[in-house]
Amino acid sequence: EADIYQTPRYLVIGTGKKITLECSQTMGHDKMYWYQQDPGMELHLIHYSYGVNSTEKGDLSSESTVSRIRTEHFPLTLESARPSHTSQYLCASSEDGSGETDTQYFGPGTRLTVL
Amino acid sequence: KNQVEQSPQSLIILEGKNCTLQCNYTVSPFSNLRWYKQDTGRGPVSLTIMTFSENTKSNGRYTATLDADTKQSSLHITASQLSDSASYICVVSDRGSTLGRLYFGRGTQLTVWP
Repeated sequence: EADIYQTPRYLVIGTGKKITLECSQTMGHDKMYWYQQDPGMELHLIHYSYGVNSTEKGDLSSESTVSRIRTEHFPLTLESARPSHTSQYLCASSEDGSGETDTQYFGPGTRLTVL
Repeated sequence: KNQVEQSPQSLIILEGKNCTLQCNYTVSPFSNLRWYKQDTGRGPVSLTIMTFSENTKSNGRYTATLDADTKQSSLHITASQLSDSASYICVVSDRGSTLGRLYFGRGTQLTVWP
């Protein structure tokens, strides 16, 4: 069982609200990732981080922002939520993304619904 | 275009039966291929990982195969159990960047009936 946690697990909010999805891991991993996943569809990378004070945008354009002030913590923020942001958000971490057999460990996900 | 295609999209089998899930990919240059299991409402969990030189890898009742020449992989589940009901995702990693970019399939939704 991976030691990576996400809160909240479920969130239903109204349009225009600011939200922060929390992600933390206790494995000391340098690399962390945020993915977006719609039902029956593949995961899309929206943000990643190589380490503290490092953040990059992923392949899928997202209006969300991330920060990495501490190794174990990688929160995702939406300044003004819209119905198009309704999705499942998965956080992951890996020890070192350069290894051939490096594995990403996923959190349980946050199911976001914007009304 | 780098892609990962999985089939079938969904599958229903009876408890105790075997099944095989397929994955075809066009990712290049190839680094490794993983199979993940994702329970409903949970994050994916790694089952197996294979590099270019490996053509089979087992994890309990799960056996993955890889044919790097034809760019195909399969996941065989033996003596299925109700707890095997989940989405099985094929993920291919390339060598093209320091990040080791991952390409995800859409998954095969497996349902095991008693």
